[in-house]
Amino acid sequence: DQQVKQNSPSLSVQEGRISILNCDYTNSMFDYFLWYKKYPAEGPTFLISISSIKDKNEDGRFTVFLNKSAKHLSLHIVPSQPGDSAVYFCAASGNSGYALNFGKGTSLLVTP
Amino acid sequence: EPEVTQTPSHQVTQMGQEVILRCVPISNHLYFYWYRQILGQKVEFLVSFYNNEISEKSEIFDDQFSVERPDGSNFTLKIRSTKLEDSAMYFCASGTGGHVGNQPQHFGDGTRLSIL
Repeated sequence: DQQVKQNSPSLSVQEGRISILNCDYTNSMFDYFLWYKKYPAEGPTFLISISSIKDKNEDGRFTVFLNKSAKHLSLHIVPSQPGDSAVYFCAASGNSGYALNFGKGTSLLVTP
Repeated sequence: EPEVTQTPSHQVTQMGQEVILRCVPISNHLYFYWYRQILGQKVEFLVSFYNNEISEKSEIFDDQFSVERPDGSNFTLKIRSTKLEDSAMYFCASGTGGHVGNQPQHFGDGTRLSIL
């Protein structure tokens, strides 16, 4: 039951360039989408979120875009920094209370 | 910045034994959650807890699992009779309530549970 899908298990980007992480979902009842970042041996850390009534939300170097008709969202990191190297999880909520449905994650490596 | 703390960081238990995983949520948070991540798989929701009762639970959270807030600070997950497939990283999370997007859940660093 994969309601949230991150089809790229890994991504490598050069420092200073843009990182684009993608996420697709199947449940049209989701009304909030979140990105979490996770370093090894730590728990997920909240990064940025977007409501289903918006198509873009920006916070510093991080921007999330939502395309409801395509059931697709993306996280843009500009410029990418080596410290951004981590696993990024897309998550969605809304069809049943506050439980988060996570994707499998994309491992981002930013190289100097 | 306040954080969610989980103990122990690693728990090794024999199959069939009971295990209790402990969490101290952020102090002003009202909603508490348990998630787990089996190695190589996605993070999965187990249960949410509000006002001293379970507010949601997933299919995974069967009769072998229970949660409790025994005092004003701790939140525990008990697995009554552990199975090999319970081996996973268990994450506790807490939130202030309101919509999840405006009030994101904050996660602890997890307890790695290994069942032998």
